[in-house]
Amino acid sequence: NAGVTQTPKFQVLKTGQSMTLQCAQDMNHEYMSWYRQDPGMGLRLIHYSVGAGITDQGEVPNGYNVSRSTTEDFPLRLLSAAPSQTSVYFCASTLEPGGLGTEAFFGQGTRLTVV
Amino acid sequence: AQSVTQPDIHITVSEGASLELRCNYSYGATPYLFWYVQSPGQGLQLLLKYFSGDTLVQGIKGFEAEFKRSQSSFNLRKPSVHWSDAAEYFCAVGAHGTASKLTFGTGTRLQVTL
Repeated sequence: NAGVTQTPKFQVLKTGQSMTLQCAQDMNHEYMSWYRQDPGMGLRLIHYSVGAGITDQGEVPNGYNVSRSTTEDFPLRLLSAAPSQTSVYFCASTLEPGGLGTEAFFGQGTRLTVV
Repeated sequence: AQSVTQPDIHITVSEGASLELRCNYSYGATPYLFWYVQSPGQGLQLLLKYFSGDTLVQGIKGFEAEFKRSQSSFNLRKPSVHWSDAAEYFCAVGAHGTASKLTFGTGTRLQVTL
């Protein structure tokens, strides 16, 4: 059972380059989310999705795009990378609706450096 | 909007000593509360969660947390710390009764001395 898989694990980009961070889950969860983790700031929500074809913005969405064409995949796109996007990115999936069984399962993260 | 405060950035305890990590939250309704642990270079692992009912919640690895509505707190405790508990700990609150839109605290880094 792979859970939540993120690729790549590490990436270095030049300013202005574009890339896609991949996230896939095999738990048939409807809800998926992207967070970024920065020192001293915890994790902050970038975008989330409540199902295929439905996405919405989180706390820090600027500079990022998402789409959800399948239940399994939730890629995060950086159209023009900036040094401020240097961070560790985590994808999570959640079985909703809320209740005793609800928790977010996190991937191992992608460490992105923009130079 | 909800918020989470973890007032202790860094805590050092001796192995075998007790531990309490503080978490205060701000949320208008009954919160969904979580504690996650992150080892260096790793993802986040859920320690425990609170939705309703018994305010003392038991988790994995011998951790527990107590929800105190009057103090808006959800402190994490462990009676005897092991060296392997050294990690960063995050408290989080779920918006609108979900776990998919979490607001995290800034984390507390735990160091364990032998």
